Amino acid sequence: NAGVTQTPKFQVLKTGQSMTLQCAQDMNHEYMSWYRQDPGMGLRLIHYSVGAGITDQGEVPNGYNVSRSTTEDFPLRLLSAAPSQTSVYFCASSYSGTGTSYEQYFGPGTRLTVT
Amino acid sequence: TQLLEQSPQFLSIQEGENLTVYCNSSSVFSSLQWYRQEPGEGPVLLVTVVTGGEVKKLKRLTFQFGDARKDSSLHITAAQPGDTGLYLCAGADGSWGKFQFGAGTQVVVTP
Repeated sequence: NAGVTQTPKFQVLKTGQSMTLQCAQDMNHEYMSWYRQDPGMGLRLIHYSVGAGITDQGEVPNGYNVSRSTTEDFPLRLLSAAPSQTSVYFCASSYSGTGTSYEQYFGPGTRLTVT
Repeated sequence: TQLLEQSPQFLSIQEGENLTVYCNSSSVFSSLQWYRQEPGEGPVLLVTVVTGGEVKKLKRLTFQFGDARKDSSLHITAAQPGDTGLYLCAGADGSWGKFQFGAGTQVVVTP
């Protein structure tokens, strides 16, 4: 099992450009999420999905779109990149563990710089 | 607004010493998780606690969930250089497992 994979690992964009960050998981997990991590801020939830065809906004959704056409894939689209979107992006998948607990598995991250 | 406050922000200790990291909130969580993150990698789940007052041990790591399910602590006994990393707590609000993360505690253990 590859777990959660993310591509690319690094990306530099110019302001106004668009791009898609790819995320795939091979664990048949129902739930998938996108987070961004900035220094001193922990991880902040951008968008999440509770199953194929179902997505919802997290804490910081502006400037990002997602779709979930299959259980395995959950791409994150930056519509018009801005310097404020410079960050490290993590994709995670999870399943319902014991009772109300959810075990999250993270990908290795994509480091994005917008100039 | 950060709902989960972690303290301290940074901790530097010598190998063999003990340390405790705290995670506090004014909100009640249905479950709370601790992760460790190393540079250039994603967070890795260490433990999930779900019951108020619960204590879990993972080798030299002891995790405690507060009775009111608003706070948690992570204690490391006889720290080793391999314990170096960013420790993150995350609380779930009881729905599908939507998590709020703390800002993290950077732990450095020197030989």
